[in-house]
Amino acid sequence: DAGVTQSPTHLIKTRGQQVTLRCSPKSGHDTVSWYQQALGQGPQFIFQYYEEEERQRGNFPDRFSGHQFPNYSSELNVNALLLGDSALYLCASSGGSGGTQETQYFGPGTRLLVL
Amino acid sequence: GDSVTQMEGPVTLSEEAFLTINCTYTATGYPSLFWYVQYPGEGLQLLLKATKADDKGSNKGFEATYRKETTSFHLEKGSVQVSDSAVYFCALSLYIPTFGRGTSLIVHP
Repeated sequence: DAGVTQSPTHLIKTRGQQVTLRCSPKSGHDTVSWYQQALGQGPQFIFQYYEEEERQRGNFPDRFSGHQFPNYSSELNVNALLLGDSALYLCASSGGSGGTQETQYFGPGTRLLVL
Repeated sequence: GDSVTQMEGPVTLSEEAFLTINCTYTATGYPSLFWYVQYPGEGLQLLLKATKADDKGSNKGFEATYRKETTSFHLEKGSVQVSDSAVYFCALSLYIPTFGRGTSLIVHP
């Protein structure tokens, strides 16, 4: 049983560019949440997707957007990248037949560096 | 808003020592509480959880009790191993998941 997978593992972009990160949830899960983890900090909740719609959102600007596909996989898009967007981006899945909504399983993350 | 406060690290212990990592929270309701562990270069793994007051979560020798009166969820382990070296995150889930800043644990042989 594959856990949560994310791609790519590492990414380097320049200021002003756009980036797309991808996540496949754990088998049986139908909810995907995205987090930003700056170096030395705890994860900060960006948003959560369920039934292909954004269900909850943290305190992040509209430059951060997402999408969930019918197979429950998800993308995180960040436009007009800033140096401060450099972080580890974590995807977590939950819910569905595979678990409860509040117990999340995390992927290994995508490390984004903005130059 | 909701918040989680953890003791600052790093916490440095010798193998077989007793571990306590303090965690307190602020929330408008009655959240579920979690401890996650992050090993170097990896994502977060759920270590244990408690969903209501006085519940005790436990896993791999780690324990934490949901204390509503003190709004705390301290993590304890009776005898740590070198392999327990990692960063530990306390978190709550009510409306939006909220994590603490993490506490680094270093265990020496």
